[in-house]
Amino acid sequence: DQQVKQNSPSLSVQEGRISILNCDYTNSMFDYFLWYKKYPAEGPTFLISISSIKDKNEDGRFTVFLNKSAKHLSLHIVPSQPGDSAVYFCAASGRGSSNTGKLIFGQGTTLQVKP
Amino acid sequence: ETGVTQTPRHLVMGMTNKKSLKCEQHLGHNAMYWYKQSAKKPLELMFVYNFKEQTENNSVPSRFSPECPNSSHLFLHLHTLQPEDSALYLCASSQDPLGGRQETQYFGPGTRLLVL
Repeated sequence: DQQVKQNSPSLSVQEGRISILNCDYTNSMFDYFLWYKKYPAEGPTFLISISSIKDKNEDGRFTVFLNKSAKHLSLHIVPSQPGDSAVYFCAASGRGSSNTGKLIFGQGTTLQVKP
Repeated sequence: ETGVTQTPRHLVMGMTNKKSLKCEQHLGHNAMYWYKQSAKKPLELMFVYNFKEQTENNSVPSRFSPECPNSSHLFLHLHTLQPEDSALYLCASSQDPLGGRQETQYFGPGTRLLVL
């Protein structure tokens, strides 16, 4: 049973437009959410995160939105650039008696930004 | 640029071989992790080490044996693997997941393993 889901395996946008990547989760104990970007033949690179006490976090062209009631988060990239073409992973972690820093990952969404 | 390095980057091994994957982090972190990424699947956590002690074994078969001699180094010893173990093996580190703070993990480039 997947606790973190990225239902769109791929997304294609035009350079300069907005890219919106979506992620849904099922575990209400999750309180920290992260987005990672992965290029081929490289490990995931941390992009941006958000705590459950916030509903928005912005870093340059990247903004993450969190809707706790819907258990949904999204990553907005604007304007999109060809160098943003990569696989984007959503991940979540939660506190609890057995908190060991465990991250639960989604399946990833492949973003292609066309020039 | 990453503060987490992994060697080798690629490995081909037979089912009767014994090999080891190495991970080193230069970030001063206290926790290290092994993940497996199979084709078209999410990253799966395998093992977690905090301050050199194993705190999580995510039901990993015994043919995978981790070793953490210190907070900067992590090994994954492999023996009698199966072809379905072919995957990308990723190492990650974080500051201190037991410290009560929300943690970000930083990943190495991975080892692409092929078991024949």
